[in-house]
Amino acid sequence: GAVVSQHPSRVICKSGTSVKIECRSLDFQATTMFWYRQFPKQSLMLMATSNEGSKATYEQGVEKDKFLINHASLTLSTLTVTSAHPEDSSFYICSASMSGSSGNTIYFGEGSWLTVV
Amino acid sequence: KNEVEQSPQNLTAQEGEFITINCSYSVGISALHWLQQHPGGGIVSLFMLSSGKKKHGRLIATINIQEKHSSLHITASHPRDSAVYICAVRGTGTYKYIFGTGTRLKVLA
Repeated sequence: GAVVSQHPSRVICKSGTSVKIECRSLDFQATTMFWYRQFPKQSLMLMATSNEGSKATYEQGVEKDKFLINHASLTLSTLTVTSAHPEDSSFYICSASMSGSSGNTIYFGEGSWLTVV
Repeated sequence: KNEVEQSPQNLTAQEGEFITINCSYSVGISALHWLQQHPGGGIVSLFMLSSGKKKHGRLIATINIQEKHSSLHITASHPRDSAVYICAVRGTGTYKYIFGTGTRLKVLA
C-alpha cells in the first residue's frame, strides 16, 4: 500500500542550529503534504500545508521564517527548523493525501522526534 | 469546545473485552478517519468513513452523519491493541483535517 516515509526518526541538535526533516511519498505522487506538530499527550496541530512547486500555506501562529517548508517534487517535502531552541523540541509528523475511487486517504509518516539541547 | 471530541480519554481493558471509542464532531464533514498511534509516535490510518460501517479484522468503525457521531469498536481486544486512537475529520470543502485529542487504550493481559 501507499507509504509515506519520514527521516530522521530521531534527531538531537544544539540550540541555534538548523535541522531538516524529510517527508517522502514512496509510491504515489503527493501534490499536497501536511506538516504537524504534536506535544506530549496532545492532539496533532497542523503547522502548514506544503504544495508542490509553490509556497507553503502556514497556519496562524506558525512562524514561516522559523519553519521553512520546501516541496520541490511530487514525492518530497522538507521541513527545516531554523535556529532551533529547546522549546522547538517536539514530535513532528507529515502526511500526504492520495485520491482514490473511495475518496481521499491520508497516509502519515513515522514522525520525527526533535530534541534541542 | 473542540470541534472533534473523543470519549473516553483513557481506557483500560482486560484482554478479550469488547471496546468502544466514540467521536463526536460539530462541523460538516466530507470524511472521517480513525487513526492509531503507537508509543513510538508513528500513525496508521485504520479507516476512512463517509457513511455507514466498515470492518477490518477485529476492528469495526461506524458513522452516523445525521448525528455527527462515529464509533470505533475493537472485538476480542489484545495487549497489542494498546495505543492512542485518534478521530480525524475533513471539513466540507476543505483539505484540512481536524483531530480529536485521542483515546489512550491500554489492554492488560
